[in-house]
Amino acid sequence: QSVLTQPPSASGTPGQRVTISCSGSSSNIGNNYVYWYQQLPGTAPKLLIYRNNQRPSGVPDRFSGSKSGTSASLAISGLRSEDEADYYCAAWDDSLGGWVFGGGTKLTVL
Amino acid sequence: QVQLQESGPGLVKPSETLSLTCTVSGGSISSYYWSWIRQPPGKGLEWIGYMYYSGSTNCDPSLKSRVTMSVDTSKNHFSLNLTSVTAADTAVYYCARHGTAAGRMDVWGQGTTVTVSS
Repeated sequence: QSVLTQPPSASGTPGQRVTISCSGSSSNIGNNYVYWYQQLPGTAPKLLIYRNNQRPSGVPDRFSGSKSGTSASLAISGLRSEDEADYYCAAWDDSLGGWVFGGGTKLTVL
Repeated sequence: QVQLQESGPGLVKPSETLSLTCTVSGGSISSYYWSWIRQPPGKGLEWIGYMYYSGSTNCDPSLKSRVTMSVDTSKNHFSLNLTSVTAADTAVYYCARHGTAAGRMDVWGQGTTVTVSS
């Protein structure tokens, strides 16, 4: 049981916009930044969004992040086949004194 | 650019100690935090713990009694020891870099698979 809650799956067709939610509590998302990681099949996770809504260099602006209260969302617009991957949210948890991750959302591009 | 490479035995017997090393190339181990994260087969990411290059550490409370981490700045690598392993410790183990304790993990190793089995 992950501390952060994500839907196990999401899907969309090419060109569509999809969102993935991440729900936490005041000790993690509510009081700290949210990070999103993309894990393509058979590869290591890659930083996708940091500090709620910032994109590292090289990440397309089709990917965007937002946070409100104890929840966060990742939005992917102009969906492409290469976006098919697992997506994880993460945040520092003040109560735990460490990192917590969501259970991951498997995105399928139909 | 900075690259991380995990190494260690791919098979560990139950009750024994899992030992992994993460070697940093293309950059210095100094001034960064270094985390271990694992991913059991078909499951999500689990943070194990981090260590600062100076040697201070922090672990997930559920693993704290079994985890030891160390750093060797002269060799630019850091290590993880997990004692008394069981099948539940079977996973892909990743190392990752972050600039602050609660900061983004911006560089990840490719991961190494560890199976616990007799």
